[in-house]
Amino acid sequence: DQQVKQNSPSLSVQEGRISILNCDYTNSMFDYFLWYKKYPAEGPTFLISISSIKDKNEDGRFTVFLNKSAKHLSLHIVPSQPGDSAVYFCAARSNAGGTSYGKLTFGQGTILTVHP
Amino acid sequence: EPEVTQTPSHQVTQMGQEVILRCVPISNHLYFYWYRQILGQKVEFLVSFYNNEISEKSEIFDDQFSVERPDGSNFTLKIRSTKLEDSAMYFCASSEVVSPLHFGNGTRLTVT
Repeated sequence: DQQVKQNSPSLSVQEGRISILNCDYTNSMFDYFLWYKKYPAEGPTFLISISSIKDKNEDGRFTVFLNKSAKHLSLHIVPSQPGDSAVYFCAARSNAGGTSYGKLTFGQGTILTVHP
Repeated sequence: EPEVTQTPSHQVTQMGQEVILRCVPISNHLYFYWYRQILGQKVEFLVSFYNNEISEKSEIFDDQFSVERPDGSNFTLKIRSTKLEDSAMYFCASSEVVSPLHFGNGTRLTVT
């Protein structure tokens, strides 16, 4: 299932700089996108989301950008902090008829390391 | 902050045995889910549950799997006859009507 792809397995960033995590999707029925963060031995934690009717959503240090024509979204973290080091998952939900609200399709994740 | 709790954190079982994974969703949530992540692979949807019935299930969720909300607080996933390929992290999640899913910390199931 390659409907949601995160092509970068890992990203290394210096503290204080910007982290940009990317995600591509192929299913045009996706209408809602989420980013989750996951620490080892913990479950995914919701970070930020965006509806397909928007192209940007911001929450503190986190901003998600959506380019529908390119079927691409990105998560920007500014400034990056060592505590942001985790695995970041992009996830998407389809608006296809009969699809359960909570059925998310996940990317494979990107390991972010923020160096002090 | 309320959280989804899962027990046990690690379950080891022999092939062919039945296992029950337990979850306590956030108390005011109405939608419940199970996901799993096989080592090195993506997090995958298994099943969603609302109003005491399955609302959607994936092709992974075959007759060997079942879910139940036996009382007002617990939500369980049962695997009747485990296979080696069932070894994975199993995540329970819950949500309100229109809100992101909140995940538990998972149960690592090891089938030997």
